[in-house]
Amino acid sequence: DTGVSQDPRHKITKRGQNVTFRCDPISEHNRLYWYRQTLGQGPEFLTYFQNEAQLEKSRLLSDRFSAERPKGSFSTLEIQRTEQGDSAMYLCASSARDVTVYEQYFGPGTRLTVT
Amino acid sequence: DAKTTQPPSMDCAEGRAANLPCNHSTISGNEYVYWYRQIHSQGPQYIIHGLKNNETNEMASLIITEDRKSSTLILPHATLRDTAVYYCIASNSGYALNFGKGTSLLVTP
Repeated sequence: DTGVSQDPRHKITKRGQNVTFRCDPISEHNRLYWYRQTLGQGPEFLTYFQNEAQLEKSRLLSDRFSAERPKGSFSTLEIQRTEQGDSAMYLCASSARDVTVYEQYFGPGTRLTVT
Repeated sequence: DAKTTQPPSMDCAEGRAANLPCNHSTISGNEYVYWYRQIHSQGPQYIIHGLKNNETNEMASLIITEDRKSSTLILPHATLRDTAVYYCIASNSGYALNFGKGTSLLVTP
């Protein structure tokens, strides 16, 4: 069990560019979550997958954001036409198949800086 | 999800118990109380959760008042590695967690 991994760990981009982040969950975890964390704040929920199905999206996930989990394994989060307000840490988490298990395992995050 | 209120910061001496309070006076009957912590530059780490009864695991104890309007996370013997931001979350979903600002705990030698 190598834990949740995220790539890249850091990304600097210019305003208006598109960026894509990848998350690899713990193997056998069927649930995957994306969160965003800005400086001084706790993480905020963005979206949630069960297998390949995206079951919930926060209103924070504007139409410039899209998340996919094509085969129910890894997931990608794309931000189109980045804005300075998108600068944040993007965290991915996964949890087990058992519906009674509530523990989410978080990755180290991808820190995005939009200049 | 019910709003939670936590003190912004607390100190604790190494080796002593750290008692972190959380107020969730509007919690509904099907909302669990979760505690996570975030050590600097890392992702959050699950600690414990509970509904009505007190809970204990290898990391901590969770004491929930009988009316469920508040709870306390207890780290029985705090170490320097317990310095982190601690988040108390009330949620009935278990997945769409919103962490708030948490309590920044500083454990001092």
